Amino acid sequence: AQSVTQLDSHVSVSEGTPVLLRCNYSSSYSPSLFWYVQHPNKGLQLLLKYTSAATLVKGINGFEAEFKKSETSFHLTKPSAHMSDAAEYFCVPPLRVKYIFGTGTRLKVLA
Amino acid sequence: DTGVSQNPRHKITKRGQNVTFRCDPISEHNRLYWYRQTLGQGPEFLTYFQNEAQLEKSRLLSDRFSAERPKGSFSTLEIQRTEQGDSAMYLCASSSGTSGGNEQFFGPGTRLTVL
Repeated sequence: AQSVTQLDSHVSVSEGTPVLLRCNYSSSYSPSLFWYVQHPNKGLQLLLKYTSAATLVKGINGFEAEFKKSETSFHLTKPSAHMSDAAEYFCVPPLRVKYIFGTGTRLKVLA
Repeated sequence: DTGVSQNPRHKITKRGQNVTFRCDPISEHNRLYWYRQTLGQGPEFLTYFQNEAQLEKSRLLSDRFSAERPKGSFSTLEIQRTEQGDSAMYLCASSSGTSGGNEQFFGPGTRLTVL
C-alpha cells in the first residue's frame, strides 16, 4: 500500500524567505503524488503533480517539488514566500481512484 | 464558471433532522467523489461514483448516509437523523478518465452545523 507522511503540522516563515514543506512516501513502486493547497474557506486546488514523467515538477504560484526515490521524498518548495501562500497544504497519494489525505501542513507567513 | 459547484454552501440544522446536499460536477467528468472534512483534519473519503454507479463506500458512511447520482450527472448526499458529530465540511470532487491518478477538481464545500 502507498502512504505519505507530512513531517510538519505547522510551518512559519517570514515573507520573502524560502518555503519547505516536507512529504515522505512509502511505497513498493513508483507512486503518483500530488500537492494540494486549501486556503481558508476555499476549496482544494491542485498545486502540482508527479506521475513519473519528470522528477522536478513545477506547479502554480512559483511552487515546485522534486521526487527523490533514494530519499522517498516529495518536498514542496518555493524560493520566496508571499503572504497569499498562507494556507493548508496536503501531500496526497492517489490510492487507485480515491485520495487519502493526511492532516496536512499549515503554512503561516509572517510580515 | 465551469468548476464543481455545491449547494447549499452552509446548512444549520437541529439534531434529528434530515439534510440533503447537492453537487454539480464538471460536465464532462464521469467520476464524482464525496469527502468529509472536520476542523484541523484532512478530508476523509466517503464514496465515489463512476457515471451513475456507486463503486465504493467508506466505512465512515453509516446507514444514515446515502448518496445518489442519477443519470451520471449531479449527485446528492443525504444525511438522515443528523447528529452533532455530523458537523463538518462536505466536499465534492470530480475527475475524468477511467484510471487512477487523475486530478480531482474540488468544489467549495457545504458546511454543516448540527445544533
